[in-house]
Amino acid sequence: DIQMTQSPSSLSASVGDRVTITCRASQSISNNLNWYQQKPGEAPKVLIYAASSLQSGVPSRFSGSGSGTDFTLTIRSLQPEDSAVYYCQQSYSPSLTFGGGTKVEI
Amino acid sequence: QVQLQESGPGLVKPSQTLSLTCTVSGGSISSGAFYWSWIRQFPGKGLEWIGYIYYSGSTYYNPSLKSRVTMSVDTSQNHFSLKLTSVTAADTAVYYCAREVPSSRAVDVWGQGTTVNVSS
Repeated sequence: DIQMTQSPSSLSASVGDRVTITCRASQSISNNLNWYQQKPGEAPKVLIYAASSLQSGVPSRFSGSGSGTDFTLTIRSLQPEDSAVYYCQQSYSPSLTFGGGTKVEI
Repeated sequence: QVQLQESGPGLVKPSQTLSLTCTVSGGSISSGAFYWSWIRQFPGKGLEWIGYIYYSGSTYYNPSLKSRVTMSVDTSQNHFSLKLTSVTAADTAVYYCAREVPSSRAVDVWGQGTTVNVSS
């Protein structure tokens, strides 16, 4: 299995802040990395696919970067509705695996 | 737009078989454009991918669950199903059915999720 490690596990930030979440893979996964947002009581929602492509309908303040083993999700200007848990997911291996999540509090 | 809805028992006894069905509306499983998946989320919030099935019936399962998992698809009813045998308390989770985009393996549509408790 490819292990995905996210950091930090939680963070607190203010409206308007720039927030960065890191995801590290246990082996190189090229750009086969997706990011999700999950709010309480809801299913996850895809934000970024293929490391840096913005999913249709997702605000442009969300962006992704990275390749190989190290990836970053950035929220450019944090909004109150961005309070959620964020997960990365690798798709290099046929068996998908997720990171442990990062809780963003505002 | 496409919507997915899980159905099945919310309580399963240890050693028995968990059975869930996902009904797809607003789109056809037979389009062949997507993989149809099951993902679970444990009470501690970790996510585990269980596997996927294609409209043709071909499957790929998580190796850690492969010996206990069977997925099937009924294109005439536009639904797909999950069976997980020999369940234990460790299988207690919210189970989601979902749609994967084959090129990126991103999960772009999720069901609302159904909670399954394994308890006697």
